[in-house]
Amino acid sequence: AQSVTQLGSHVSVSEGALVLLRCNYSSSVPPYLFWYVQYPNQGLQLLLKYTSAATLVKGINGFEAEFKKSETSFHLTKPSAHMSDAAEYFCAVTEVRDNYGQNFVFGPGTRLSVLP
Amino acid sequence: EAGVTQFPSHSVIEKGQTVTLRCDPISGHDNLYWYRRVMGKEIKFLLHFVKESKQDESGMPNNRFLAERTGGTYSTLKVQPAELEDSGVYFCASSHSGTSRTEAFFGQGTRLTVV
Repeated sequence: AQSVTQLGSHVSVSEGALVLLRCNYSSSVPPYLFWYVQYPNQGLQLLLKYTSAATLVKGINGFEAEFKKSETSFHLTKPSAHMSDAAEYFCAVTEVRDNYGQNFVFGPGTRLSVLP
Repeated sequence: EAGVTQFPSHSVIEKGQTVTLRCDPISGHDNLYWYRRVMGKEIKFLLHFVKESKQDESGMPNNRFLAERTGGTYSTLKVQPAELEDSGVYFCASSHSGTSRTEAFFGQGTRLTVV
């Protein structure tokens, strides 16, 4: 069975500091990995995804993540935090079942606070 | 292009009552998913429609939950009778079929509170 862990339910950084949100996964097949973000009072928005192409994936708002198979990790980073990055971030893994679609297995989420 | 829309955004009901949540997927998306996040827990898969057919309902917690997608367009999720542990945020998502290696687009969620 697939699973996702996110180290740290709450991370605080100063504005301008590096953001690092950790994600580790387990999957019996090559995974597809995603980071979603939920801003207050909004739905889940895709930040970026890994689908077996380049291991370093760039997403929206300056975020990027690197797939490391040996470490079963897909950590999310951003060089310089902005106040608007304050949100909850979810890592998710999925495996292809058929041509119709796939189900996501989500991590528990990490709430990011950005301090002025 | 309109996104995935969910109604209502919030619902507060008493234990034992019935609530129906609605999801309108992105037009043309055959895949429709329901997920749920109860307080402090992970977002959990409930079920998956392909058009009007239930492809996978392994995540449905019990028979108090009934999902439908008549005509393969919008979907409803009914909880009857509601229990306290059903409180949480219910998300709907949709995606194209034949493109399984892609993201799903999520709605804003319905926050359900059972008192």
